[in-house]
Amino acid sequence: GQSLEQPSEVTAVEGAIVQINCTYQTSGFYGLSWYQQHDGGAPTFLSYNALDGLEETGRFSSFLSRSDSYGYLLLQELQMKDSASYFCARPVRIHGSGNTGKLIFGQGTTLQVKP
Amino acid sequence: DAGVIQSPRHEVTEMGQEVTLRCKPISGHNSLFWYRQTMMRGLELLIYFNNNVPIDDSGMPEDRFSAKMPNASFSTLKIQPSEPRDSAVYFCASSSGTSGGAINEQFFGPGTRLTVL
Repeated sequence: GQSLEQPSEVTAVEGAIVQINCTYQTSGFYGLSWYQQHDGGAPTFLSYNALDGLEETGRFSSFLSRSDSYGYLLLQELQMKDSASYFCARPVRIHGSGNTGKLIFGQGTTLQVKP
Repeated sequence: DAGVIQSPRHEVTEMGQEVTLRCKPISGHNSLFWYRQTMMRGLELLIYFNNNVPIDDSGMPEDRFSAKMPNASFSTLKIQPSEPRDSAVYFCASSSGTSGGAINEQFFGPGTRLTVL
């Protein structure tokens, strides 16, 4: 029970709002992280939701509902530079060790922003 | 800080050759992670270390892969012998903290693009 599901592709236009969903299995759940990866680059950390609710950081917001096993990343006022892949990731709990820092990543959602 | 440093950035080798990838984590970070990324399999965790000790190597594909962390500032991932299916981008990442958000924020290096012919 450690998989995360997210859409493979999303397309939106500049200035729009887009929501990237992530659903997951609930065993040993500690929270949900989001990473951004531009083509040819390295993943970079965007946000971490430890508790239910909305976390806002500039144009990006991340939401978590643990009861629904669901989270999303919301990108507002889209810009061309937001074209990238977005990964949700969850920490893995090891019995007796708690949160180890190990992350399991979803397959990623490729966001294409069009003019 | 220079961030996570990886070398080489690109490696092209022939099947059967030994490949060694290197990583220098961010100073002060106590966890180090090796990932492999391909189009087919996405981002896979191969192995991770905490305080230089391997904690979980369940993601290492097979005995051809090995990783070491002799000290807090250096780690290697070795493939011997290499095969074409090992072609991928290999990322090293590090993180700090023992609880809360910090433990979940990983800083990735630029990656090593490996091509095995």
